[in-house]
Amino acid sequence: KQEVTQIPAALSVPEGENLVLNCSFTDSAIYNLQWFRQDPGKGLTSLLLIQSSQREQTSGRLNASLDKSSGRSTLYIAASQPGDSATYLCAVYGQNFVFGPGTRLSVLP
Amino acid sequence: NAGVMQNPRHLVRRRGQEARLRCSPMKGHSHVYWYRQLPEEGLKFMVYLQKENIIDESGMPKERFSAEFPKEGPSILRIQQVVRGDSAAYFCASSPPGSGRMNTEAFFGQGTRLTVV
Repeated sequence: KQEVTQIPAALSVPEGENLVLNCSFTDSAIYNLQWFRQDPGKGLTSLLLIQSSQREQTSGRLNASLDKSSGRSTLYIAASQPGDSATYLCAVYGQNFVFGPGTRLSVLP
Repeated sequence: NAGVMQNPRHLVRRRGQEARLRCSPMKGHSHVYWYRQLPEEGLKFMVYLQKENIIDESGMPKERFSAEFPKEGPSILRIQQVVRGDSAAYFCASSPPGSGRMNTEAFFGQGTRLTVV
């Protein structure tokens, strides 16, 4: 059974810092991994999709890497802004999407 | 191209009533997934459907919960005889057919927040 964990559970940083969020999964037999953002009381916004054959994807200030063999992904956020404050979720797709518990990020102005 | 549409956004039911949650996938998408998010918890998979077929319902509670995705119309998640523990946010996601599993990207709706009083 696939299990996904995320570290840290919560993170508070001053504006401008570069951040790394971590995601680990137990079963490497995945098709892809997707990072989402969830604002309080809102739905999920897809940030990046990494196929299992890829090592990384980039979108603006976001960069996500995938090491399938070790069961790890990282989301790198450059030059963080208060608008980045949200919960960040990673999900791996095998039989269906299995989500981690999320990292709650607060970027202080 | 409208995104995944869920309605209602908020639903209040008394214990014992039925709740019906609707999800209209993105245009051209024929795969629908339902997830539940309990307060302060992560998203848990419930059911995966394609048009007129339930593909995987391993996350569905055995009683009171059912889901369908008819040939025409939205997918419906139905909860009978609701209890307080059913209070949660229910999210629907859709993905396109035949896209290859590596490219399967999920697009989520805004969710339905069910409150059982």
